[in-house]
Amino acid sequence: DARVTQTPRDKVTEMGQEVTMRCQPILGHNTVFWYRQTMMQGLELLAYFRNRAPLDDSGMPKDRFSAEMPDATLATLKIQPSEPRDSAVYFCASGQSSGGFGELFFGEGSRLTVL
Amino acid sequence: DQQVKQNSPSLSVQEGRISILNCDYTNSMFDYFLWYKKYPAEGPTFLISISSIKDKNEDGRFTVFLNKSAKHLSLHIVPSQPGDSAVYFCAASNSGGSNYKLTFGKGTLLTVNP
Repeated sequence: DARVTQTPRDKVTEMGQEVTMRCQPILGHNTVFWYRQTMMQGLELLAYFRNRAPLDDSGMPKDRFSAEMPDATLATLKIQPSEPRDSAVYFCASGQSSGGFGELFFGEGSRLTVL
Repeated sequence: DQQVKQNSPSLSVQEGRISILNCDYTNSMFDYFLWYKKYPAEGPTFLISISSIKDKNEDGRFTVFLNKSAKHLSLHIVPSQPGDSAVYFCAASNSGGSNYKLTFGKGTLLTVNP
């Protein structure tokens, strides 16, 4: 049963600490997305990759957020330093963009609470 | 600037009745539209989609209607069931070129009462 795997599921940290969230996309998918869900904004796109290359990270606060894909099986989203306003659920999603549009498959999310 | 808008944060219907969830978009380049369903503590899951070359797509109890001139789409669920209670996200994409990202609305919480 192929699925997107995210870790950690829940993270509570203090302001100023570094937070790293990890995502294992579905094997064979070539696009990976990071979304953030908040009550006010719904699902916001932070960054996405195609064939491991970053295509768009305009939704990320560049001074504190960074997203990488060290290899095809791992995507990371790092926040340094974290702030209370970063508290949200962060979703990773993967898809296959070959010859047309395909649906995205989401992980279960990483709930981040910054105190 | 919200390019995909779901103006109703919540909707409550009785079991067996029709649920109608609405979505508006502003970007005329969008040509592919999807609905995702999300239960608490889970990620969104794909429900149904429609291409701009169609005005209706049906899958069982779920039907999506697209009105391109009004830049409006709606999801109909008939009959509604308590298990349909979830947050529904409308999403849109420009499927042309090399850009496959989805732009989501803020979601509508559907509650189906037994």
